[in-house]
This record gives sequence, C-alpha cells and structure tokens, in this order.
Amino acid sequence: GDSVTQMEGPVTLSEEAFLTINCTYTATGYPSLFWYVQYPGEGLQLLLKATKADDKGSNKGFEATYRKETTSFHLEKGSVQVSDSAVYFCARKSNQAGTALIFGKGTTLSVSS
Amino acid sequence: GAVVSQHPSWVICKSGTSVKIECRSLDFQATTMFWYRQFPKQSLMLMATSNEGSKATYEQGVEKDKFLINHASLTLSTLTVTSAHPEDSSFYICSATISGKNTEAFFGQGTRLTVV
Repeated sequence: GDSVTQMEGPVTLSEEAFLTINCTYTATGYPSLFWYVQYPGEGLQLLLKATKADDKGSNKGFEATYRKETTSFHLEKGSVQVSDSAVYFCARKSNQAGTALIFGKGTTLSVSS
Repeated sequence: GAVVSQHPSWVICKSGTSVKIECRSLDFQATTMFWYRQFPKQSLMLMATSNEGSKATYEQGVEKDKFLINHASLTLSTLTVTSAHPEDSSFYICSATISGKNTEAFFGQGTRLTVV
C-alpha cells in the first residue's frame, strides 16, 4: 500500500549546523506532500507543503522539494537553532477530497547550543 | 488560519470508565474529521474517518464499539473511549479539512489520556 518512509532518528546537531531529514513515499499518482512539526507536549503544526512535482515548500528557513523522479520530499535547513528541537513528520495525502494523511514514523531533532 | 480545538488536553480516568474527547472546528465547516492515535515516540496512526451525519469509517484493527465516534454537526466530532483500560492510555489527535476543499488538514492540540 501507499506509505511514507523517513529517516530514523534521533538526529543530534549543534546550533547553526545543516539539517537534512530524508523522506520518500510510495503512492499511486501524485499525492500532496507535507512536513509537520510537533513540539514537546503539543499537537502537530504544518511546517510546509508541496502539491505537485517540482514544487518547493518553505517556511521558517526550512525547505523541501517535491521530486517525482526519486519520489522524495527531503526536509532541509541551512542553519538550525535550539528552538528547532522537535519531532518532524513527513506525510502524504491523496488528491481525493476527504482522505486522511499518511504519516512517516517521525524524526526527533535535538539541537544543542 | 483554520483552527481546530480539542478538549480536554489531558484526562486521567479509572479503568472501566468512559471518556469523551471533543474536536471542534472553530472557524470553518468540516464535513470530514479524522482521529489519530499516537503512542510514545511513534507516528500517528489513523483510527477512523468521521463524516458528518453518517457512520464513521474505522481502520482495520480499531474496535468501533470501544472507540465510539459521533459527528453530529459540521463543527464537532467526538470520540468516546468506552470501558477504558490502561492499554488505551495514549495521545489522541483529531484533524479536520475544510468542507469542499482539498487543502491540508488542521490538527487539534491532542488529548493525553491516562487510564489508571
């Protein structure tokens, strides 16, 4: 079935380091792709999204590009901050209205000063 | 932006009792809402899809008689965990999409349920 696979963590970085969290998907057609972030004790917040091939989603210094040739949607940030410490979830959604998101397992990021 | 409010944010209950969790879309109508369950350090697993005015669609392995879902209006869905047991302790999260629009899902803050 359709799925989302993201790199396992935890990822531990120093402040200002470069971040990459890999995410690949399997799906029929071209789903919409998302990155959500979950801060400790909170619900999920949408970080960025891309709805078609070659789209680049960006927000708060994070970027991800929808690559249909590699079925990937890797999350990147050039310089992480301590406040970026959280769990990051890659997700896909079919283009049929009313369907749920399918999530990857989540990657815990810990940034130290 | 669209806001989804989930209540309560945490609850402790005794084994054998029932707990109701509410999910409200505050500034939009949501024909469809989703209920997820998240175990510690794991991903969100879809439990059921809640459709306004009709029966919920449960994912395989989810007991519909244990997790009762009611979606009586376009802004409210409820999840009732009946005869709760310690193994039901988890983080429950709801999400909603705007009626008629294929946009991203908006998530509630989640409910931490602890059954003692």
